[in-house]
Amino acid sequence: EVQLVQSGAEVKKAGESLKISCKGSGYSFTRYWIGWVRQTPGKGLERVAIIYPDDSDTRYSPSFQGQVTISADKSISTAYLQWSSLKASDTAMYYCARVRPDGDALDIWGQGTMVTVSS
Amino acid sequence: EIVLTQSPGSLSLSPGERATLSCRASQTVGTDYLAWYQQKPGQAPRLLIYGASTRATGIPDRFSGSGSGTDFTLTISRLEPEDFAVYYCQQYGTSFTFGPGTKVDFK
Repeated sequence: EVQLVQSGAEVKKAGESLKISCKGSGYSFTRYWIGWVRQTPGKGLERVAIIYPDDSDTRYSPSFQGQVTISADKSISTAYLQWSSLKASDTAMYYCARVRPDGDALDIWGQGTMVTVSS
Repeated sequence: EIVLTQSPGSLSLSPGERATLSCRASQTVGTDYLAWYQQKPGQAPRLLIYGASTRATGIPDRFSGSGSGTDFTLTISRLEPEDFAVYYCQQYGTSFTFGPGTKVDFK
């Protein structure tokens, strides 16, 4: 079964660092782009960034450039999203998702990681 | 940035009825790179349609997508109880944006 399994919910304080993870299984992890999507009640769904695990080529959406870092460890089929200094506005549900090779539709999704940042 | 507008914002229907959801883009969506997702409470979105009209793996044929350019439609031919959810469109022809969603709920 193709699946993405994400790390658990996090509760942090503003200014702290955080790294959340997404482990792929059931497919060749290095051959698909994988991305992170943020969901909030106010802004809805937004793509944060994507990475190609084979060579770590990355693309950031303009709103998130410089705010987060996407990375991947292909040896353990895991992608990451990290923050060096969290803000209250980072509070959201974060999903990882696999990118279809014939365009950027997202065909497999993780279960989501809720990040709560208190000020 | 291409802005997607979905209408209606919500739709109240009964099982067995037909649902027609609209997604309009502020500019032409290149190569008809338009997808539809379904999201139920507490769950991740699920890909239904990509390339404007191709059903994703395992998606029942009561779901169909159509349209091109700036106007796209998702049709659910006969609503089943499990179809009551929020539906999002997403374009990936120029960068990547999602619509605000249409909620389909029980009348």
